[in-house]
Amino acid sequence: DQQVKQNSPSLSVQEGRISILNCDYTNSMFDYFLWYKKYPAEGPTFLISISSIKDKNEDGRFTVFLNKSAKHLSLHIVPSQPGDSAVYFCAASPPTASKLTFGTGTRLQVTL
Amino acid sequence: NAGVMQNPRHLVRRRGQEARLRCSPMKGHSHVYWYRQLPEEGLKFMVYLQKENIIDESGMPKERFSAEFPKEGPSILRIQQVVRGDSAAYFCASSIGGNTEAFFGQGTRLTVV
Repeated sequence: DQQVKQNSPSLSVQEGRISILNCDYTNSMFDYFLWYKKYPAEGPTFLISISSIKDKNEDGRFTVFLNKSAKHLSLHIVPSQPGDSAVYFCAASPPTASKLTFGTGTRLQVTL
Repeated sequence: NAGVMQNPRHLVRRRGQEARLRCSPMKGHSHVYWYRQLPEEGLKFMVYLQKENIIDESGMPKERFSAEFPKEGPSILRIQQVVRGDSAAYFCASSIGGNTEAFFGQGTRLTVV
C-alpha cells in the first residue's frame, strides 16, 4: 500500500521555466511533509518542508503548496536551473511518529 | 559541522556473511533513522532509535536484521547471514528531535554476491 505517491516518474523542463513536481498521499494522519533532492550515489538532501497548518511555504526558488482537502502537495522550482536535475522525493509523517514515508521519486531533467 | 557520516560507502559480502553498517549522526542530533532503498524504488523506513533505545522498528525484517545506537559511538545496522535480496542502498538520517528535518548520510551500498 503506497501511502505517498508520485505518479510522474520523470519530468523534463527547459532552463528558466517552472518545474512543478506533484505528490499525493492517502493517510489523513500525515501532518508534516518534506521534499528531498537526490543525486546518484548520494544521500537525499533536505529541500523544504511544510506542516499541515500552512498551505504554502517558500524558500528562494522553491515553493511547496499543500492542499489538505485533496491530499496533494506540489513543489515549484522557479526558475529551473540545470543543477536542479536530480530525483525529487516527497515524504510525509504523522504527528505521533517521526518516521518518514517516501514517495517513489520523480526524476527532473532541466535542459538548456 | 560535519554532516551525517556513514561507513563504509560500499560493502561487498558473500551470501551467509554478516554486514555491519555504521552511522554517526550530526553533532547535537540524538535521533537516528535507518532507511533502505531497493533499485528503482523509494526509501523505506526501517528503524528509529534514540540513544540506547529503539523507538520504532516497524520497518525492520523480523529476522537477521538488528540495530543499535549505544551511549557512545555510532549507530550500527547489522545484517546477519546476508542474502542477495539484501543488496540495496542503506541510508541513515539524524535529527534534533522527532518531526523535525532529518538529514541524510551518503549511504552504504551493500552488494551481496
